[in-house]
Order: sequence, then structure tokens, then C-alpha cells
Amino acid sequence: EDKVVQSPLSLVVHEGDTVTLNCSYEVTNFRSLLWYKQEKKAPTFLFMLTSSGIEKKSGRLSSILDKKELFSILNITATQTGDSAVYLCAPFNNAGNMLTFGGGTRLMVKP
Amino acid sequence: DAGVTQSPTHLIKTRGQQVTLRCSPISGHKSVSWYQQVLGQGPQFIFQYYEKEERGRGNFPDRFSARQFPNYSSELNVNALLLGDSALYLCASSLMRSSGRGNEQFFGPGTRLTVL
Repeated sequence: EDKVVQSPLSLVVHEGDTVTLNCSYEVTNFRSLLWYKQEKKAPTFLFMLTSSGIEKKSGRLSSILDKKELFSILNITATQTGDSAVYLCAPFNNAGNMLTFGGGTRLMVKP
Repeated sequence: DAGVTQSPTHLIKTRGQQVTLRCSPISGHKSVSWYQQVLGQGPQFIFQYYEKEERGRGNFPDRFSARQFPNYSSELNVNALLLGDSALYLCASSLMRSSGRGNEQFFGPGTRLTVL
């Protein structure tokens, strides 16, 4: 059975801090890993990672995948209160055509 | 461009009733997936449909069913509702290219189902 573990479960930081969110996975027929930000309702797509060691960046957010060690990290630099959300990682199982989500990391950024 | 749309936004039902949720994918997307998200947990995969055929099924009872229409919109049906079916039901659309890349799935706002 596919398994995804995210850590930490929750995190409280102050504006300007840098945070690192972790995602480890065990997924059969792995194709890619996706990161999402969820504030109130719909998860918002952040990154899709398919290759090891290639960092993807979007503004203050960046992410990298290690397919050998089966983990991914999401970094957020110079955090802002608008970064407060639940961050979800989800590897894609190509056989089941499905994303398996972790429980998420709840990030709170205080002014 | 319109994103993924879902209806209704909220729904209240009683145990034993049946419910139908609707989803319209992003224009040009041919794949729709359904997820159930219980409060405090990550979304859990229910179904994927592509070109009107079921391509993936999660670990949900037969009370859950879905279909996809020629215009790629989709419906999720849940029969004999239980209290535990109360959740946010999310629909995601993707191109489902088979080029060797993964699938970027884009989510709709969800339908909040409450079963009393």
C-alpha cells in the first residue's frame, strides 16, 4: 500500500523566517511528486517533480526530489503571512492513475 | 480561463439518502479525478476517468460510483449515505498526457457534504 509521511505536522514561524517541509514516500509505479498549498478549499498546484536533484523554483518557493532516498523537500524563504496554509505532497502512482496525499504540514506565519 | 468548477458548493443530506456531485474540468482537459477529504486529513483518491472510461479506483465501497460525459464533465454519486461520508469532495482535472511525464492535477473548489 502506498504511503506518504509529511513532517513536521505543524510549524509556527515569524515573517522573514525560512522553513523546510519534508515529504517521504513509498509508492509503487512512481511517476512524479506534486506539491500543493491548501488554504480554505481547493489545493493550489505548486510544483511537479519528476527527476532527482533538479531544483524547481517559483519566487520564494523551491522544491527538490530524491528518488533514491524517496523524499522531497519544499523550502520557503522570507516567509510572509500569506504563506500560512496546509502544504500537501502527493506522489503519483502511474498504475493506479492516482495521487496519494500525505496528511500535510500546517504552516502558520506570524507577523 | 475558467478553472475546474464544481457544484453544488454545499450540501446537507440525511443518512440513507443519495447524492450527486458535479464537476467540469478545465477546457481541453480530458481526465477527471475525484477525491474525498475528511477534516484534518489529506485528500483520498476515489476515482479517475479519462475519455469516459474508469482508469483508476481507490479503496471506497460500491456505494460510490462515477461517470464521465462526452464533454468530459463528470458526476460522482454516493448512495445510502453514512455519517462518515461527511467530507469535502474535490474534483481535479488533468491532460493525462502519456508522454512519460507525470500528471499535473488542478483542483476545483470542492463540494462540502454534511450527512446528518
